[in-house]
Amino acid sequence: NAGVMQNPRHLVRRRGQEARLRCSPMKGHSHVYWYRQLPEEGLKFMVYLQKENIIDESGMPKERFSAEFPKEGPSILRIQQVVRGDSAAYFCASSPGGGSLYEQYFGPGTRLTVT
Amino acid sequence: TQLLEQSPQFLSIQEGENLTVYCNSSSVFSSLQWYRQEPGEGPVLLVTVVTGGEVKKLKRLTFQFGDARKDSSLHITAAQPGDTGLYLCADSRDNYGQNFVFGPGTRLSVLP
Repeated sequence: NAGVMQNPRHLVRRRGQEARLRCSPMKGHSHVYWYRQLPEEGLKFMVYLQKENIIDESGMPKERFSAEFPKEGPSILRIQQVVRGDSAAYFCASSPGGGSLYEQYFGPGTRLTVT
Repeated sequence: TQLLEQSPQFLSIQEGENLTVYCNSSSVFSSLQWYRQEPGEGPVLLVTVVTGGEVKKLKRLTFQFGDARKDSSLHITAAQPGDTGLYLCADSRDNYGQNFVFGPGTRLSVLP
C-alpha cells in the first residue's frame, strides 16, 4: 500500500509566478490536510479537506492561496503570485477518517523556493 | 489559541544514553500525537494517546500522558543514532480531528 505521495519534491518559482503542489493520499483515505513548515519551525496547519469539500481553512492566508480535493485526482494546493516569504516546505497528510481521524500520515513534502 | 511548548529545543547525547523530552499545552489536549521527522522527510506518527495517565511503550520509547491531559513526556532508553530527528508533539484541537496544532519540536542528535 503506497504511502502519501507529493509532487514535485522540489519546486523553484520566480516572484509573481504560480506554484501548484499535488498530494495523492493513501489508498482509502478521504481526508487531506496541508501544512507549511518554515526552517527550524514546527508545522503550521493550513487547510483540511474531504473529497470535494473544504472543511477548515482557518490556517490558510486569505489571499493568493487556495486548495481543492476533487472527486477524482490528487489534492492541489495553489499559490498565486508567489513571494519570497512563501518559500517553505509544504506537507500533505491524509487520514482514513472515522475512528482513526486523529492519525495522520504525512507525505515527503514539497520544498518551494521563490527566487 | 492553544500553544504547545516543547523542551528542550535541542539535545545532543551519546549513543547508549537515556533521555526525556517534554510537551506542554496551555489547554487540555483533545488527543496527543508524537511524531518523528527526519531531515528532508515528512513526520512519521509514533503514537496517539487520549486518556489522562496513559502510558504507551514502543520498543525503547515510552510515552506518558499527564493525568490532567496538559502535558506529556517521551523517554528513550539506550538511544541509538537512528533515533536522531525532530520530535514533534501535536494536538487535534477538537474531538473531530479537524484541525491539528504542532509544537516547535525537540531536535535530537545521537552521536555514535
